[in-house]
Amino acid sequence: QSVLTQPPSVSGAPGQRVTISCTGSSSNIGAGYDVHWYQQLPGTAPKLLIYGNSNRPSGVPDRFSGSKSGTSASLAITGLQAEDEADYYCQSYDSSLSGYYVFGTGTKVTVL
Amino acid sequence: QVQLQESGPGLVKPSETLSLTCTVSGGSISSYYWSWIRQPPGKGLEWIGYIYYSGSTNYNPSLKSRVTISVDTSKNQFSLKLSSVTAADTAVYYCARHAIVLMVDYGMDVWGQGTTVTVSS
Repeated sequence: QSVLTQPPSVSGAPGQRVTISCTGSSSNIGAGYDVHWYQQLPGTAPKLLIYGNSNRPSGVPDRFSGSKSGTSASLAITGLQAEDEADYYCQSYDSSLSGYYVFGTGTKVTVL
Repeated sequence: QVQLQESGPGLVKPSETLSLTCTVSGGSISSYYWSWIRQPPGKGLEWIGYIYYSGSTNYNPSLKSRVTISVDTSKNQFSLKLSSVTAADTAVYYCARHAIVLMVDYGMDVWGQGTTVTVSS
């Protein structure tokens, strides 16, 4: 049902770089609406990781970075650490119907 | 440090109304938007809707006919009602602060711990 598509899973060895894509359309990301990213550790509430496409809230390590281009956005994790193993969700606004907020389908990051 | 805490029944019967409250502590409910989000077991996040402290609302079109979100500024609380529930509404329900300031969206920056609601007879 989600209008933002993410790969179900990505994996990498400690120290490696992984990226997660978030593909939308002309009514959300492509319309210029900002993308935010959330990290959800097992059994916990989501936590804001990136806001406004590429900004990190205070306390988020600079290993996490975000970007946006066209109808897609990406989250990159460099220097992957065991504690980064979690689910990651992108989120934006969709102007279709009456306008509403949408989350991506979610991506499970596994540290090998 | 703003904190959010969800409260309400953990078990609701099919066809009845699910009612949850989110209490905001450590800060005022004023000047922010406040969202409800849910996550069915083993699935992803779904935005349910938000309310501004003044009372204006916006709902997910897929749930709009069954959702009501209200705010009580005197108690620093906002609430969710979801009517005619079915097993598909079984989920962890989160409340969150949606930092939209002067029409700039800064994301959902504070979350409650979540509360599990099961729909079953």
